Amino acid sequence: DAGVTQSPTHLIKTRGQQVTLRCSPKSGHDTVSWYQQALGQGPQFIFQYYEEEERQRGNFPDRFSGHQFPNYSSELNVNALLLGDSALYLCASSNTRELFFGEGSRLTVL
Amino acid sequence: DAKTTQPPSMDCAEGRAANLPCNHSTISGNEYVYWYRQIHSQGPQYIIHGLKNNETNEMASLIITEDRKSSTLILPHATLRDTAVYYCIVRLSGGYQKVTFGTGTKLQVIP
Repeated sequence: DAGVTQSPTHLIKTRGQQVTLRCSPKSGHDTVSWYQQALGQGPQFIFQYYEEEERQRGNFPDRFSGHQFPNYSSELNVNALLLGDSALYLCASSNTRELFFGEGSRLTVL
Repeated sequence: DAKTTQPPSMDCAEGRAANLPCNHSTISGNEYVYWYRQIHSQGPQYIIHGLKNNETNEMASLIITEDRKSSTLILPHATLRDTAVYYCIVRLSGGYQKVTFGTGTKLQVIP
């Protein structure tokens, strides 16, 4: 049984561009959360999706948006990229008792 | 703000037990304590979780104080591969919520 899978693993963009990151949750998990982790910092909560709706949101601007599909998979979109958006983006899927993370997508903005 | 506080770093001799503390003094009655570790900026790896009873699995043991305001993760025989950043978080069972990470503890296992 595959755990949480994320794609792509690495990508490079330039300032002003847009990026879409993808996440497939662990089988049996219906909730997906996204985190941003800058180098040397702990993960910062971006938002959480359940039943295809955004349920909780951290302190991130509207440039960060997401979507959850009927099969529970999710996308994170970031518009108008800034240099400061360079980070490891983590997806976590969960159910009542479990919370598992993917290996992340490393985004570099030049 | 994070609901947990941890020491920023700890050292442990290889083969000895590593005891990593975590304070969660504002934990509510239905929040669980979860532990993860992160190696070389890979995704956080689940270790163990518990509500109020001590828990043990193949990776570690979790000791939660009776008042639930703190806990300790125990790696019984630390190896070099246990060198990582360890995070404890608190999380409700079910529902949706914002889970906040602290800065974690950087554990260095020394040969």
